[in-house]
Amino acid sequence: GAVVSQHPSWVICKSGTSVKIECRSLDFQATTMFWYRQFPKQSLMLMATSNEGSKATYEQGVEKDKFLINHASLTLSTLTVTSAHPEDSSFYICSAVTWAGTRDNEQFFGPGTRLTVL
Amino acid sequence: GESVGLHLPTLSVQEGDNSIINCAYSNSASDYFIWYKQESGKGPQFIIDIRSNMDKRQGQRVTVLLNKTVKHLSLQIAATQPGDSAVYFCAENDSWGKLQFGAGTQVVVTP
Repeated sequence: GAVVSQHPSWVICKSGTSVKIECRSLDFQATTMFWYRQFPKQSLMLMATSNEGSKATYEQGVEKDKFLINHASLTLSTLTVTSAHPEDSSFYICSAVTWAGTRDNEQFFGPGTRLTVL
Repeated sequence: GESVGLHLPTLSVQEGDNSIINCAYSNSASDYFIWYKQESGKGPQFIIDIRSNMDKRQGQRVTVLLNKTVKHLSLQIAATQPGDSAVYFCAENDSWGKLQFGAGTQVVVTP
């Protein structure tokens, strides 16, 4: 159980376009989802915390107008990279939290989305 | 600021040997730590966790040790196998449920 999916798994887009990435909890309800960004050979950096039905909370240095997050239901959060540029190319990973799990605050991670901006 | 970091960026281990991956943390108030395994092109996979009221926890072939005195965490993998080749991260879970990841250690298992 506790499966998280992401779509698409990879995407290539032209500079200036917008890209939407979906994060779904398949078999549980997630009141909170997190979005991370990971550059090659580096660690995961938290971008924002997404709570169902409310505005996302962004980490310091993350542009909220560039990385739009919507968490409209208990099983879906979306990240839209607006006006993407080559420096936005990265591996984007989401995680979801279920408070009914056996471990407090356990985050279940999605498989990631590889974004390449040309 | 507070940080969680690793001592060794790359660890080469012969198949069958034990692996030890280290992690230092700076926030003495931290009370919950998690080790993750990440294979290339995939999301992190939970391995084992430990709370600050414990100093050791064992799982299947893995053991996590916590030394609060020196703020040090380690992951031991017994009888390392080729499938253990991956990047391993320690992470600190704050009271808000947010994770702060360490830099990561690449484990390479050689035959």
